[in-house]
Amino acid sequence: NAGVTQTPKFQVLKTGQSMTLQCAQDMNHNSMYWYRQDPGMGLRLIYYSASEGTTDKGEVPNGYNVSRLNKREFSLRLESAAPSQTSVYFCASRPDRASTEAFFGQGTRLTVV
Amino acid sequence: GQQLNQSPQSMFIQEGEDVSMNCTSSSIFNTWLWYKQDPGEGPVLLIALYKAGELTSNGRLTAQFGITRKDSFLNISASIPSDVGIYFCAGQLRSSNTGKLIFGQGTTLQVKP
Repeated sequence: NAGVTQTPKFQVLKTGQSMTLQCAQDMNHNSMYWYRQDPGMGLRLIYYSASEGTTDKGEVPNGYNVSRLNKREFSLRLESAAPSQTSVYFCASRPDRASTEAFFGQGTRLTVV
Repeated sequence: GQQLNQSPQSMFIQEGEDVSMNCTSSSIFNTWLWYKQDPGEGPVLLIALYKAGELTSNGRLTAQFGITRKDSFLNISASIPSDVGIYFCAGQLRSSNTGKLIFGQGTTLQVKP
């Protein structure tokens, strides 16, 4: 029962480096989401994909890009990492955008130095 | 953007005590969710509420959807050490056609044995 799988679990980047966070779900869900979690800020939506082939900006999209590679996979890319992007990143999926329950991955802890 | 105000921000209680936390907003929601996040893990859904006034229990947890549709509370009775974690409320706006969930800032709960 894998659910939502994120890789890597931990990453340290230097300012200006790029990287892609991977997310895959095996529940045949249509909607997928990327959040970042910062102390005292809760979970803030970066980008989401309501269905395969579509992506939309969330609350805090600046500095990020996403790709919905197929129904299973939704990746988040940092083209030029900045210290302000140090955070814990969570991927989530839902059967569709009308379904309320979101299933989360275990998170990626990213540090930008 | 839209915001949920969750309180208290943190709680440190004795094992066996009851706990109460709440979320409020100036906007109307059609769904309220309560999640728990264990250290190093992603959030997991505890309770989902779909109707104003709805009161739902899950073991020692009870949550209610406020009559005004602008608030919700979560109670934990007879707390135990494994209740430790961060509790998040989340809501889906009645006006939303995207299905996006908005999260509160979280309540960090610590339980002293």
